[in-house]
Amino acid sequence: SQELEQSPQSLIVQEGKNLTINCTSSKTLYGLYWYKQKYGEGLIFLMMLQKGGEEKSHEKITAKLDEKKQQSSLHITASQPSHAGIYLCGADKAAGNKLTFGGGTRVLVKP
Amino acid sequence: NAGVTQTPKFQVLKTGQSMTLQCAQDMNHEYMSWYRQDPGMGLRLIHYSVGAGITDQGEVPNGYNVSRSTTEDFPLRLLSAAPSQTSVYFCASSEYRGLTYEQYFGPGTRLTVT
Repeated sequence: SQELEQSPQSLIVQEGKNLTINCTSSKTLYGLYWYKQKYGEGLIFLMMLQKGGEEKSHEKITAKLDEKKQQSSLHITASQPSHAGIYLCGADKAAGNKLTFGGGTRVLVKP
Repeated sequence: NAGVTQTPKFQVLKTGQSMTLQCAQDMNHEYMSWYRQDPGMGLRLIHYSVGAGITDQGEVPNGYNVSRSTTEDFPLRLLSAAPSQTSVYFCASSEYRGLTYEQYFGPGTRLTVT
């Protein structure tokens, strides 16, 4: 089984609604990354969280890392069609540059 | 800066053929990695390099070779292609940012092995 579990696997929301994606690890993480991917394209870096309890926001996207550094959530407020894509969480387990990724969450925003 | 570039964008191979996927970065990053992406599996690390002349295996290295003769280039070689290697391949380079690394990804190479 994967070491990083993402939920849900897919999500359809009405434009203007909020959505949340979760990423859970059974082990403590050194760093937790969120990426967005559009179909057929590479990964776009969104945010990186390092400290327990850390929260970062960029435009309408907020990411949090829990105190134990084993779970992260990505929250999008008032979703827009531009938010559609695949969201991936990646974890740095050993303070190095080798990332383990979750299975991804496919987001579709209906206008 | 061009960032991380990959060629080709698409490739179709027959079982048993060999080929090299090219990756280059112009950010002078020491660290470079190759991942493959399969449906529902996220990305899995194939090989990585911590600098010119130094490479190591990742999670799924079998069937692939790498070398790092320069800081800029990190090619991935498929020795004898198999249908199980049909996937999207991403190259990444990273730089140290305090406690961890920020990774920059290339646009990917979509490979089909028939």
